[in-house]
Amino acid sequence: GQNIDQPTEMTATEGAIVQINCTYQTSGFNGLFWYQQHAGEAPTFLSYNVLDGLEEKGRFSSFLSRSKGYSYLLLKELQMKDSASYLCAVTPHSGNTPLVFGKGTRLSVIA
Amino acid sequence: DADVTQTPRNRITKTGKRIMLECSQTKGHDRMYWYRQDPGLGLRLIYYSFDVKDINKGEISDGYSVSRQAQAKFSLSLESAIPNQTALYFCATEDTTYYEQYFGPGTRLTVT
Repeated sequence: GQNIDQPTEMTATEGAIVQINCTYQTSGFNGLFWYQQHAGEAPTFLSYNVLDGLEEKGRFSSFLSRSKGYSYLLLKELQMKDSASYLCAVTPHSGNTPLVFGKGTRLSVIA
Repeated sequence: DADVTQTPRNRITKTGKRIMLECSQTKGHDRMYWYRQDPGLGLRLIYYSFDVKDINKGEISDGYSVSRQAQAKFSLSLESAIPNQTALYFCATEDTTYYEQYFGPGTRLTVT
């Protein structure tokens, strides 16, 4: 079966750092995505990890450990506009089965 | 212009009515998807298509049907709408290099 777990909600303070975790058990693994989704809007691509390690892109970084079935998204210097849901998604095989999405983590950034 | 468009953006309909949601894309991707999103349940896959001749059911296809009229167009139909189909519906395309998905703006459907 396919299962992706991430916390339902998190709250963090403006200017701080927050880490959103994602664990997955899927039948095969080809890559892991993080998407950002503001309320009522479409998800938008944030990052993609295939190999173990940290990928940094501005204030956002994403980490992957394939052996542990684990990823995290790190957001630095939080801004109010970062309040959104963050979706973890896995490509189970070599692209021949659909992406599996987690239920998302709703992040609230407070002043 | 947006790469993935959905029409209508908002729709209110009555129980028992047939309704069609349309999706068009200019990204040239063969793969297209329909999802629904409900609060607390995340994105759930309704149907997907890997090319014009390929249609596959997702995890929640009951009560829905689809038509892939061309590479650029993928429509979702609710044969007889019911209130628990009230949700936000997203269409997406997917590139086959990294399997990144590109989402349309969504259709908010209310069934009364």
